[in-house]
Amino acid sequence: EDQVTQSPEALRLQEGESSSLNCSYTVSGLRGLFWYRQDPGKGPEFLFTLYSAGEEKEKERLKATLTKKESFLHITAPKPEDSATYLCAVPLDTGRRALTFGSGTRLQVQP
Amino acid sequence: DGGITQSPKYLFRKEGQNVTLSCEQNLNHDAMYWYRQDPGQGLRLIYYSQIVNDFQKGDIAEGYSVSREKKESFPLTVTSAQKNPTAFYLCASTTTGDTEAFFGQGTRLTVV
Repeated sequence: EDQVTQSPEALRLQEGESSSLNCSYTVSGLRGLFWYRQDPGKGPEFLFTLYSAGEEKEKERLKATLTKKESFLHITAPKPEDSATYLCAVPLDTGRRALTFGSGTRLQVQP
Repeated sequence: DGGITQSPKYLFRKEGQNVTLSCEQNLNHDAMYWYRQDPGQGLRLIYYSQIVNDFQKGDIAEGYSVSREKKESFPLTVTSAQKNPTAFYLCASTTTGDTEAFFGQGTRLTVV
């Protein structure tokens, strides 16, 4: 069954302490992997789209990478304002043209 | 400014009542979606629509209904048949189903 799994569920970092978030997927024919940031009580904000294994994209302290089975969101020298829930999503290989989301990683960066 | 507008931001429903959540977009997107988010969980798809006058059930459509009479609008009705409607509801739109989705700011529905 197609699914999207994110780990860890929660992550607490000190300011400046780099780390990575994981998103694994079992879609047989990937048609894009999407990363979003969500602040409490807000709608998700689009960050990146990755389409093929080996692809990388960067934005400020964030870098997303993609392999055939998983994606990583690397956070370099995070700041407290990076605290949020990070969601990944893929279109399932069922012909349904809608994104299926993982349960997210809640990141807290302490000063 | 282009975007998606959801209203109201907060909504309270008495048991047995139907309530309608509004979603309007001015991005000229063809596809629109409704997701439900419960605390500490990801987004679950309720309904989606690829074109006007057509929509499909998502994973948790029971107790919900939608309409798509205009390209810009995709209202969601939470009916009395939805036994646990308290949640955060998010509307989104895309140019197609395989591109990034843009989200509204959400409606928090609470049963009182």
